[in-house]
Amino acid sequence: DPKIIQKPKYLVAVTGSEKILICEQYLGHNAMYWYRQSAKKPLEFMFSYSYQKLMDNQTASSRFQPQSSKKNHLDLQITALKPDDSATYFCASSQRDTSGNTLYFGEGSRLIVV
Amino acid sequence: GQQVQQSPASLVLQEGENAELQCNFSSTATRLQWFYQRPGGSLVSLLSNPSGTKHTGRLTSTTVTKERRGSLHISSSQITDSGTYLCAMERTGNTGKLIFGLGTTLQVQP
Repeated sequence: DPKIIQKPKYLVAVTGSEKILICEQYLGHNAMYWYRQSAKKPLEFMFSYSYQKLMDNQTASSRFQPQSSKKNHLDLQITALKPDDSATYFCASSQRDTSGNTLYFGEGSRLIVV
Repeated sequence: GQQVQQSPASLVLQEGENAELQCNFSSTATRLQWFYQRPGGSLVSLLSNPSGTKHTGRLTSTTVTKERRGSLHISSSQITDSGTYLCAMERTGNTGKLIFGLGTTLQVQP
């Protein structure tokens, strides 16, 4: 059974619309992340949260807003969608402690903006 | 320029051969983490290695942070090893902020 659940797996959105990508982790981890993978580009860090608090934000645009309603949830709201936002968005989690910080990824949500 | 460079970009092997994947990074790193990305896109964590050598199954990861390089050795490759192998570095300790390379695409043929 997948321990990091991302929904939806695929979605097509119209330019200018808004979408929310859902992520829940059942690994008991204390940190969660969003990464993005666009065509021909490396996976790119977007946000990190620890204990529901924003730790790091690498996303220039305020159109991307993470939302954490529970410790094991980190959703990603994207507003005013553009075709350049087309990518696969990966949620990840880890247990941040002194022994290490191995990241585990969900299966991704593939977004196409038309 | 790219902060994490992986080589080769692609590799074709016969089943049973060994593979050596390289990862070079342009700034200091506290850890290298290797991932396998399935053709469908999902990522599987393979090894996380701050320095030295780590083994799991047929995989050996070596990280030499002073020389800004790492490698992943796959022994006795199998057809099911086909996919993309991603190297990621973490610049400061325990932040979870990984910088990824573009990957090495491995194809293992019968």
